[in-house]
Amino acid sequence: QQQVKQSPQSLIVQKGGISIINCAYENTAFDYFPWYQQFPGKGPALLIAIRPDVSEKKEGRFTISFNKSAKQFSLHIMDSQPGDSATYFCAASNQGGKLIFGQGTELSVKP
Amino acid sequence: DVKVTQSSRYLVKRTGEKVFLECVQDMDHENMFWYRQDPGLGLRLIYFSYDVKMKEKGDIPEGYSVSREKKERFSLILESASTNQTSMYLCASSKTGDIQYFGAGTRLSVL
Repeated sequence: QQQVKQSPQSLIVQKGGISIINCAYENTAFDYFPWYQQFPGKGPALLIAIRPDVSEKKEGRFTISFNKSAKQFSLHIMDSQPGDSATYFCAASNQGGKLIFGQGTELSVKP
Repeated sequence: DVKVTQSSRYLVKRTGEKVFLECVQDMDHENMFWYRQDPGLGLRLIYFSYDVKMKEKGDIPEGYSVSREKKERFSLILESASTNQTSMYLCASSKTGDIQYFGAGTRLSVL
C-alpha cells in the first residue's frame, strides 16, 4: 500500500513535443506529491509539487495533473526541449513524513 | 543556496571491507536521509534521522547502519560490504515537512 508505480520506464520525444509521465498510488493518506528531476552526475532536485486539494498545477512548461478518485497523477512537459533530457521521479508522502519514490523515467528529447 | 555534500563521488571497495559514506549539509536541517538508487527501482530509503543521535530504519536497512553525532553530518556505514551493495548512494536533508535537498551521490562499486 506504500508503493508508487511510475510509467513509462523510458521515453523518447521529439523537440517541441509533449512528454507525459504517469504515476499511481494506493495509500489514500498521501497528501503531498512532488516530482524530482535528475540530470546525469547530479542528485535529484525538486521540479514541481502538488497537494490533493487542486487538480492541476502549472509552472512554466511543466504541469502536474492530479486525479484523486483514480489515485493517479502525471507530469506533462509542454514544448519539450533537449535540455529537459533527464530522469524524472514522482513521489508521495503523508503529512510531511518520508517520501515514497516511483521507479523513475528516463526522458530523452531528440533535436 | 542549500548545499548537501557527499564526501566521495566514486568509491571502489572489496567484499568484506567496512565502508563509510559521509554527508554534510549546511542549512541547519533537522532531517537527513540516505537512499540508494538502482535502475528500474527508483530511490529506496535506507535510513533517516530526525535529530542528532536519532535514527530510524527505512525500507531497506539490512546490511547498513548510520551515525549522526552532529546535526550537519550523517554517515552511512556498510559493516561488511557485499557485491549486492554496489549502487548509487544519495544523501538528502530537509526541514520538517519541507523539500528534500539531495547531494550529487556516491557511486560505490564492491568487487
